[in-house]
Amino acid sequence: AQSVTQLDSHVSVSEGTPVLLRCNYSSSYSPSLFWYVQHPNKGLQLLLKYTSAATLVKGINGFEAEFKKSETSFHLTKPSAHMSDAAEYFCVVSYSSNTGKLIFGQGTTLQVKP
Amino acid sequence: GAGVSQSPSNKVTEKGKDVELRCDPISGHTALYWYRQRLGQGLEFLIYFQGNSAPDKSGLPSDRFSAERTGESVSTLTIQRTQQEDSAVYLCASSFSISGWQETQYFGPGTRLLVL
Repeated sequence: AQSVTQLDSHVSVSEGTPVLLRCNYSSSYSPSLFWYVQHPNKGLQLLLKYTSAATLVKGINGFEAEFKKSETSFHLTKPSAHMSDAAEYFCVVSYSSNTGKLIFGQGTTLQVKP
Repeated sequence: GAGVSQSPSNKVTEKGKDVELRCDPISGHTALYWYRQRLGQGLEFLIYFQGNSAPDKSGLPSDRFSAERTGESVSTLTIQRTQQEDSAVYLCASSFSISGWQETQYFGPGTRLLVL
């Protein structure tokens, strides 16, 4: 079955330190991959997406993710965390060109400590 | 420009009652999607519309759930005879088209449904 796994349900970092949120997807053929962020009481916002162009994808707010086919991974990183980055992050995969169905990971809660 | 809007933002209902959730997509977006997010879980895909047509309804949790879309704009998700397990946040998203699996979906703020 097609799936996406976020390896950490909760990540805690100190402000100013790097962020790494891990994501692996099941491999059938090259999917489209997305990272969405959900701040408390706000809607989901797209951070970045991979669509088979460059393997290193840059998104908003200084986030980036690297598509590694050999590892079936799409980890999200940021060099220096800000307090405002505290939120829920979802790794999302799309395999279907006919339905637009998105498959969401379980989410990773990012806590940023002062 | 206006994003995806949903109403109501919160809904509390009694078990057995029917509820109707509304979604207004971004103007010009032909594709519309409904998802459900239960507490502590990821999003669960329910149904999509291409225009006014919903070709695949297999993602709907039970026959108590139905959805329609009129005029390639507003969509309603109806839950009949609500049960406590229906309590969740119901999210709507829209995209310019459904022809590409690379299409970005833009999400609304959701409707938080609580069934007592």
